[in-house]
Formats: sequence, C-alpha cells, structure tokens
Amino acid sequence: KQEVTQIPAALSVPEGENLVLNCSFTDSAIYNLQWFRQDPGKGLTSLLLIQSSQREQTSGRLNASLDKSSGRSTLYIAASQPGDSATYLCAVRPRSARQLTFGSGTQLTVLP
Amino acid sequence: DGGITQSPKYLFRKEGQNVTLSCEQNLNHDAMYWYRQDPGQGLRLIYYSQIVNDFQKGDIAEGYSVSREKKESFPLTVTSAQKNPTAFYLCASSIGSPSPVENTQYFGPGTRLTVL
Repeated sequence: KQEVTQIPAALSVPEGENLVLNCSFTDSAIYNLQWFRQDPGKGLTSLLLIQSSQREQTSGRLNASLDKSSGRSTLYIAASQPGDSATYLCAVRPRSARQLTFGSGTQLTVLP
Repeated sequence: DGGITQSPKYLFRKEGQNVTLSCEQNLNHDAMYWYRQDPGQGLRLIYYSQIVNDFQKGDIAEGYSVSREKKESFPLTVTSAQKNPTAFYLCASSIGSPSPVENTQYFGPGTRLTVL
C-alpha cells in the first residue's frame, strides 16, 4: 500500500530565505504527484502537478522536482515571504488506485 | 464564478444524530470525492464517485453514506455509527477523464464538524 511521508512536520524560517520541503513515497508506480497549499481552516489549493514522465515543474517562486526511482519529491520556495506561511501537502496518484494518497503535511511559518 | 461550495462551514452534532454535509460544484466535473482531515494528519478518502448514480468506498467509509443523484451534488451523511466524527471534512472534484494525467482535484473550503 502506498505511503507518503513529509518531514519535517513544521518549519520556521526568516523572511527572504530559500527553503526546501520534502516528500517521500514508498511505491514508485505513480501517475503523478501534486503539491497543495492549505491555509488554516481552509480547503486545499493546488500549486503544482508533476506527471510521472516529468522531472520538475515551475510556477513563479515555486519549483517542484520528482525522482520516481528514489521515491522523492521536493518543493523549493525561493525568497520566502510571510504570505507563504501555510501547510504544504503532497499527494501521489498511484497506478493501482483511482484516488490520491496524501502526506500529513509540513506547516511552514515565515517570520517577518 | 466556477468552483466548489460546501455548507455549512461549521456544524455541531449531538451524540446519536445523523447530519448531512453539502457539496456542490459548477465545474461540470464528473468525479467527486469526500475526505476527512484530523489535526496534524493528511487527508483520508471516505467515498468517491466517478459518475452520477455510482460511488465507491474509500479507506474509511464506515459510519458514512453518500448519494450522487445529480452531477453537481455529492452530499455526505455522517451517521450515528461513526464513533469519532469530529473532524474537518473536505469535498473535491475532478474532470474524471479516463486519462489520469487530467486528474487534478479541486477542493471546496471545508466543513468543520464537532460532536457535542
């Protein structure tokens, strides 16, 4: 059964710092991997989706990479801002299932 | 404005009561999903529906029921059989194309259910 892990569970950084969030998954047979942002008490907003044939996707200050063979993805945030403070979740779409499998998230705090 | 709406935002339930959470989408998506989120945890799938009048159990379906009579609506009932229903409930939808590369899920704002 696919398992998704995100470490650390929480991270605090000063404003302006570049940072990396990590996501690992146990089964490399996936269709895609997606990064979401969740603000407190809100729903999820999709940030980036990487197909299994791709190695990275970029959107503004965000860059997500995917290494299927090692079961890892990273979300790179450049020049962090207080508005980036939120919980970031990754999710994979296994080939063996129709639904997404989510990690438990990394709670990011960017200090002004 | 296209999107997914969930109501109510907050819901309180007494022990032994059934409650129904609403989820509506106007994105013309075929697939809809219900997730449960507990503090510090990821989302767990309760039920999903690929087309109207069809739905499948997810990982934690016990104590929940759904219906899909219309494409745009996928209500979730939390029954008295669910022993620990206090959680944040999220509804999502996707195109539901046979091709999984199109399967980005779009989420509603959530309903927070508290058992008194």
